Amino acid sequence: SQKIEQNSEALNIQEGKTATLTCNYTNYSPAYLQWYRQDPGRGPVFLLLIRENEKEKRKERLKVTFDTTLKQSLFHITASQPADSATYLCALGKDSSYKLIFGSGTRLLVRP
Amino acid sequence: SAVISQKPSRDICQRGTSLTIQCQVDSQVTMMFWYRQQPGQSLTLIATANQGSEATYESGFVIDKFPISRPNLTFSTLTVSNMSPEDSSIYLCSVEDYSGRTPNEQFFGPGTRLTVL
Repeated sequence: SQKIEQNSEALNIQEGKTATLTCNYTNYSPAYLQWYRQDPGRGPVFLLLIRENEKEKRKERLKVTFDTTLKQSLFHITASQPADSATYLCALGKDSSYKLIFGSGTRLLVRP
Repeated sequence: SAVISQKPSRDICQRGTSLTIQCQVDSQVTMMFWYRQQPGQSLTLIATANQGSEATYESGFVIDKFPISRPNLTFSTLTVSNMSPEDSSIYLCSVEDYSGRTPNEQFFGPGTRLTVL
C-alpha cells in the first residue's frame, strides 16, 4: 500500500535560517503534491501545489521541489521567522480521484 | 476560498454514547470530506459526502459507526456512534470546490477534539 514519510522529529532552527522539510513516498504515482500548514487546535491550511511535471514552485519565502524519480518533495522556508513555527503536512493526489493522502507532518520550531 | 465552521469544538463523552459533529460552509460546495486525525498521525479520510446521495466510506470505516448526513450544499454532519476510548481523536471536515479536473486545495474546518472516557 502507499506510504508517505515525513520526519517525525521536530526541526529546530534559528530565525533567519532556511528550513528544509522532506516528504518521501512509496508505492504511489501522484499527479500532484500539496503542502499544508497546521497550527495547534486548527485545521490544515493550504500552502502550495506542485504537479508531477514541475520541478520547482515558489511562493514568497516558500519553495517546493518535486522529484518523481526519487519520489521525494522538499519544502523550503527561507529567512524563517518564529511565526513559521507549525506542523507542515504533505499530501499526494491524482487527477483521477478527489482523494488526498496525507503524511503525518513535521513540526518546525523557529527560535528567535 | 471557503470558510468552514464546526460544532462542537471539543467534547468529552462517555463510552457507549454517540456524538454528532456539525460542519457548516459559507458557500455551496459539491463535495465535503470527513477526516480523523489521531495524535501524531496523519489525516485519515473517513468518508466523502455528496448532497443527495449516500456517503462513500473508506476502507476501515462503516456507516453504522460513522453515519453521515448531507442535507444541502452547505452543511453536513458526522456522528460517532457507540463510542470507545479508541475513538478519541480530532475530527475535521473539509471541502474541495473546483470545476473540471484541475485539483484544488482543500479547505479545512477547525476540527472537533473528541475525548472518550
